[in-house]
Amino acid sequence: DIQLTQSPSFLSASVGDRVTITCRASQGISSYLAWYQQKPGKAPKLLIYAASTLQSGVPSRFSGSGSGTEFTLTISTLQPEDFATYYCQQLNSDPLTFGGGTKVEIK
Amino acid sequence: QLQLQESGPGLVKPSETLSLTCTVSGGSISSSSFYWGWIRQPPGKGLEWIGSIYYSGSTYYNPSLKSRVTISVDTSKNQFSLKLSSVTAPDTAVYYCATAAAGTGFDYWGQGTLVTVSS
Repeated sequence: DIQLTQSPSFLSASVGDRVTITCRASQGISSYLAWYQQKPGKAPKLLIYAASTLQSGVPSRFSGSGSGTEFTLTISTLQPEDFATYYCQQLNSDPLTFGGGTKVEIK
Repeated sequence: QLQLQESGPGLVKPSETLSLTCTVSGGSISSSSFYWGWIRQPPGKGLEWIGSIYYSGSTYYNPSLKSRVTISVDTSKNQFSLKLSSVTAPDTAVYYCATAAAGTGFDYWGQGTLVTVSS
């Protein structure tokens, strides 16, 4: 199985901050990586797929980069509605796996 | 716009079989453009992919659950289903159904349904 390690697991930030979350894969996954945002009591929401393609309707302050084994999700200017937990997921091979999550909280 | 809705018992006894159905609206479950999956999330924990089924009927399961999982499709009802046998307390989770186009990630999700395993 391909393991995904997210860092940090917890992040405290202020509105307006630039935030970067890293996802490292245990083996190369090309660009088969997606990022999700999850708020309490809600289903995850797809933000980015193919490592850097913004899902329709997602604000442009979200961006993704990387390929192979190292990926990043960046929120350029953190907004109040962005406080949530973020997960990466690899779609390179079965079993599909998720990272452990990064919780972004208000400082 | 696709909509997915999970349904099934919220309480299952240990050793019994968990059965959930996902009803799809706004699109055909027979579409070759999508595949259909189940994901679960234990309370306060992260996401775990359970398995997926393609329009062709091909299924792919998480090896950690493979011996206990069956995913099937009922095209006449535009539904797909999950069965997880011999459940124990660690199977307590919110179960989500979701759909994805190949390689893009799950872009439509059901609201999730909490299934508790307890006697």
